[in-house]
Amino acid sequence: GEDVEQSLFLSVREGDSSVINCTYTDSSSTYLYWYKQEPGAGLQLLTYIFSNMDMKQDQRLTVLLNKKDKHLSLRIADTQTGDSAIYFCAESIGGKSTFGDGTTLTVKP
Amino acid sequence: KAGVTQTPRYLIKTRGQQVTLSCSPISGHRSVSWYQQTPGQGLQFLFEYFSETQRNKGNFPGRFSGRQFSNSRSEMNVSTLELGDSALYLCASSEQNNEQFFGPGTRLTVL
Repeated sequence: GEDVEQSLFLSVREGDSSVINCTYTDSSSTYLYWYKQEPGAGLQLLTYIFSNMDMKQDQRLTVLLNKKDKHLSLRIADTQTGDSAIYFCAESIGGKSTFGDGTTLTVKP
Repeated sequence: KAGVTQTPRYLIKTRGQQVTLSCSPISGHRSVSWYQQTPGQGLQFLFEYFSETQRNKGNFPGRFSGRQFSNSRSEMNVSTLELGDSALYLCASSEQNNEQFFGPGTRLTVL
C-alpha cells in the first residue's frame, strides 16, 4: 500500500535554506504535494509536482523529484520566521492523498 | 473563486451522539475528499466522492459515511460518536484527478 515518510523536525536560522525530505512508495502516484499547516489552521497547498517532472521552482520554493528513488524534497530559500510551521508531503492517486506525518520546521532569528 | 468552505468550524458533541459535517467545494470542482487529522494518527483518508458517487474509501468503520449532492457539496456523517473521533476533519476539492485544495477544517470534540 501507499506509505509516505518524512523526518519529524528541522531547525534552521533565519536567512538560511531549509530542505525537507520525503520518501514515498507508490510509483503510480500522479501528483506529489507539499502542504503547510500553521497551528489551528487547515492545510495550505504550497506547491505540487506532476510525477513526470524532475524539478519545479516557484519563487522561494524548489521541489526536486527523484522518481527512481521515490524521493521528494522541498527547498525553501531565505527561510523566514513566518515559514515556521508543519510541512506535509503527500502522494496522490486519483482523489486519494496519502500524507506523511509532517516535518515541524522551526526558524530561529 | 471562493475557496473550499466547511461548516461548522467547531463542534462539541458527547459520546453516542451523531454529527454531520458539511463541505462546499470550489466552484466547478466535482471531486470532494474527506480526511481525519489527529495527533496520534496524522492525516488519514476517509473517502472521496465524484459526481455523487463514492469513488474511493479509506479504512474507517461503517460509522463514518458520506454523500455528495448534485451541486458537488458533500456531507460527512459520524454516528455513535466515540472519544477517539475527536479530530480535525478536513475536506478537499479538485476538478478531477489533479491538485487538491483543502478547506479550513471542522474541529470536532467528543466529550
